[in-house]
Amino acid sequence: SQTIHQWPATLVQPVGSPLSLECTVEGTSNPNLYWYRQAAGRGLQLLFYSVGIGQISSEVPQNLSASRPQDRQFILSSKKLLLSDSGFYLCAWIPRLQDENTEAFFGQGTRLTVV
Amino acid sequence: KNQVEQSPQSLIILEGKNCTLQCNYTVSPFSNLRWYKQDTGRGPVSLTIMTFSENTKSNGRYTATLDADTKQSSLHITASQLSDSASYICVVSATSGTYKYIFGTGTRLKVLA
Repeated sequence: SQTIHQWPATLVQPVGSPLSLECTVEGTSNPNLYWYRQAAGRGLQLLFYSVGIGQISSEVPQNLSASRPQDRQFILSSKKLLLSDSGFYLCAWIPRLQDENTEAFFGQGTRLTVV
Repeated sequence: KNQVEQSPQSLIILEGKNCTLQCNYTVSPFSNLRWYKQDTGRGPVSLTIMTFSENTKSNGRYTATLDADTKQSSLHITASQLSDSASYICVVSATSGTYKYIFGTGTRLKVLA
């Protein structure tokens, strides 16, 4: 069965420190992978998506970057965190072959607090 | 601009009561609309999915409706339970090569005993 692992679950980091959030998918190949962020009281905002190894598209210019070193691994990074980077980060995957009923599967999320 | 708006932002109801959540969208080209339930600090879990041709779909005590002409959807919860307390997010999928999901801001529902 397909599963998605995202860690850590919670993270408190000082301003200016680096960030690395990891997402790993199991039980599927060639998935489309996504990073979303949910600020307090806001909806989920698409940050990055990837359709293959080394292929990253950014939806919103920001302090963050993403990488896909392996087919099933998607990493969200920052060199220097800002206070505004605080939020709830979700990783998601969608099968490569999609139709109008295709489901998106979400990780459990990472609660990041920048202090 | 593709947007999904939900109302109300928050709602408090007593256990056993019914409620209806609203979703308006301006997403084009439209692929499908989903309602997700998101418990605090967890990932969203899909409740229903509706395509352009579907008007209503039920999942237990949850019933979603879709009016593709007016671009509106609603989620009706019947006989609410304490476990229904969560955020309910309307998500519209746009057919733009990678099936981008546009998320609404959600309605935070609290069910009181």
